[in-house]
Amino acid sequence: AQSVTQLGSHVSVSEGALVLLRCNYSSSVPPYLFWYVQYPNQGLQLLLKYTSAATLVKGINGFEAEFKKSETSFHLTKPSAHMSDAAEYFCAVTRSNFGNEKLTFGTGTRLTIIP
Amino acid sequence: DTAVSQTPKYLVTQMGNDKSIKCEQNLGHDTMYWYKQDSKKFLKIMFSYNNKELIINETVPNRFSPKSPDKAHLNLHINSLELGDSAVYFCASSPKITDTQYFGPGTRLTVL
Repeated sequence: AQSVTQLGSHVSVSEGALVLLRCNYSSSVPPYLFWYVQYPNQGLQLLLKYTSAATLVKGINGFEAEFKKSETSFHLTKPSAHMSDAAEYFCAVTRSNFGNEKLTFGTGTRLTIIP
Repeated sequence: DTAVSQTPKYLVTQMGNDKSIKCEQNLGHDTMYWYKQDSKKFLKIMFSYNNKELIINETVPNRFSPKSPDKAHLNLHINSLELGDSAVYFCASSPKITDTQYFGPGTRLTVL
């Protein structure tokens, strides 16, 4: 079975500073990887996804993530944090080429932006 | 608006009652899901339907019964509600299971 581990349940950064949210995955076959964001009292929305094309994936709101097979990582970054980035971020994995494989979410990282 | 919608948004009820949550998507997707998010924000899949057929059924008490009357709707019925059922329930849909999932706004269930 596949799984993801998000290191750091809470991350605080200053406005304008680099955002780095860590995600490591485990999968016996090539994975599809996703980052979702959840703003307070809302559902999740997709930030970006990796589906075996380019290893550097650009998403919405200036976020990007790099798939590193050798490190089994898919860390999320943004060069300059904005107050509106404060939210809960979830990394998720599913196995490519499997018909009914579920999407498995990490435990989430709460991002706080310090003015 | 094209979206995934859920009703009700809030549901407060007594232990032992039976309740339903409705979900509709007008995105034309084939696959729909129910997730449970607990108080620590942990998100776990409960069920998934593809073209009205149940394809994922996680270890969920049989008090929970999903129903998909058509491809655009997936409802969740819960019998004999317990305190531990208090959570936020999210419906989602996607073209197929490995695609991006689109989430509804959630239903916050509180069991007293």
